[in-house]
Amino acid sequence: AQSVSQHNHHVILSEAASLELGCNYSYGGTVNLFWYVQYPGQHLQLLLKYFSGDPLVKGIKGFEAEFIKSKFSFNLRKPSVQWSDTAEYFCAVNSPNTGNQFYFGTGTSLTVIP
Amino acid sequence: NAGVMQNPRHLVRRRGQEARLRCSPMKGHSHVYWYRQLPEEGLKFMVYLQKENIIDESGMPKERFSAEFPKEGPSILRIQQVVRGDSAAYFCASRPDGARTTEAFFGQGTRLTVV
Repeated sequence: AQSVSQHNHHVILSEAASLELGCNYSYGGTVNLFWYVQYPGQHLQLLLKYFSGDPLVKGIKGFEAEFIKSKFSFNLRKPSVQWSDTAEYFCAVNSPNTGNQFYFGTGTSLTVIP
Repeated sequence: NAGVMQNPRHLVRRRGQEARLRCSPMKGHSHVYWYRQLPEEGLKFMVYLQKENIIDESGMPKERFSAEFPKEGPSILRIQQVVRGDSAAYFCASRPDGARTTEAFFGQGTRLTVV
């Protein structure tokens, strides 16, 4: 099975601060990478995804992520966070070569202080 | 196209009872995944099903838990003789058939409370 590591469990930022959440995965073959967001009391929604091509992917709400194959990383970034970004963020990976399951990290709880 | 539908949204069971959680995938999706979410533990993969078949159940506890995805009707996650430790949010996700490069679409989840 693959594993996904999110190193930041809780992050607290002030509005307008920049955000970077780390994500590393274990599988060395072809992977698809995802970031999901879960607002309080809601289901997971896709922020962005990487399948192939440009390693810098842009998602909704001003988020972006960069796939660095040599580092097995897919870090999420946003230049200026807003109070409404307060949520839980999950990195996920799947691979058609390993059964197509989606494996998730433990999540990062982001609190943005107005 | 309705999203992934899970019901009930909230389920309360006494210890020893059975819990049945239902998941109707999006139209055209024949792949279903079940996850359990506990506070501070993120999403734990439980089982991956495709119509009438269990593809991967490596995340399912060996006892009391079972899942099915019949030809007709929703996918069912069944927990027999529930215990307090089964209290969690259970999420279902689905993916289109034949599309290997697509994300999983999630339902709203079922929050199970065992009293």
